[in-house]
Amino acid sequence: GESVGLHLPTLSVQEGDNSIINCAYSNSASDYFIWYKQESGKGPQFIIDIRSNMDKRQGQRVTVLLNKTVKHLSLQIAATQPGDSAVYFCAENQAGTALIFGKGTTLSVSS
Amino acid sequence: DGGITQSPKYLFRKEGQNVTLSCEQNLNHDAMYWYRQDPGQGLRLIYYSQIVNDFQKGDIAEGYSVSREKKESFPLTVTSAQKNPTAFYLCASSTQGKDTQYFGPGTRLTVL
Repeated sequence: GESVGLHLPTLSVQEGDNSIINCAYSNSASDYFIWYKQESGKGPQFIIDIRSNMDKRQGQRVTVLLNKTVKHLSLQIAATQPGDSAVYFCAENQAGTALIFGKGTTLSVSS
Repeated sequence: DGGITQSPKYLFRKEGQNVTLSCEQNLNHDAMYWYRQDPGQGLRLIYYSQIVNDFQKGDIAEGYSVSREKKESFPLTVTSAQKNPTAFYLCASSTQGKDTQYFGPGTRLTVL
């Protein structure tokens, strides 16, 4: 079946750097995408979302970019902090029933 | 406070026993979901419900059962037919199927 994937399972950055986490999706019919942050032993926490009629959306210190031509989604975190260390999942909603999740990227921030 | 609660946080079960995981939400969401997460893996959908008294199987429904008698509640039963039940179970809810899903804190089930 079609699924959402991620380019890198792990990403290590220094505190203060900008982080970019990438995600590729395979279904061109997907029209809604979400980024979640999951800390160890906790449930995923909503970060930011974007619909397919947009290319970019900004939140507090985070930006999501959507490139529908190459079916690529990215999450940019500005001035990364140790508290940003977690697993980040992208998810797509294809048919309006449930989300399809990628395997996640583990972000490690060192100070 | 509005939100999704799951209980218990940790659950231990002997082989051959059924166990029920609780999920309650006071967000007035119509849709609710159950996911399973294994170490280092993403989330896999077990069951979902878009309205009271109706639910649908997800990708890995075998060995699980659910009910949706109330809008606020969506309990998951892990039956003895589930071959590898040890996992982290996450419940989520959304206003509708196409909307953002919000997750509970999870229940970690261990089969002894």
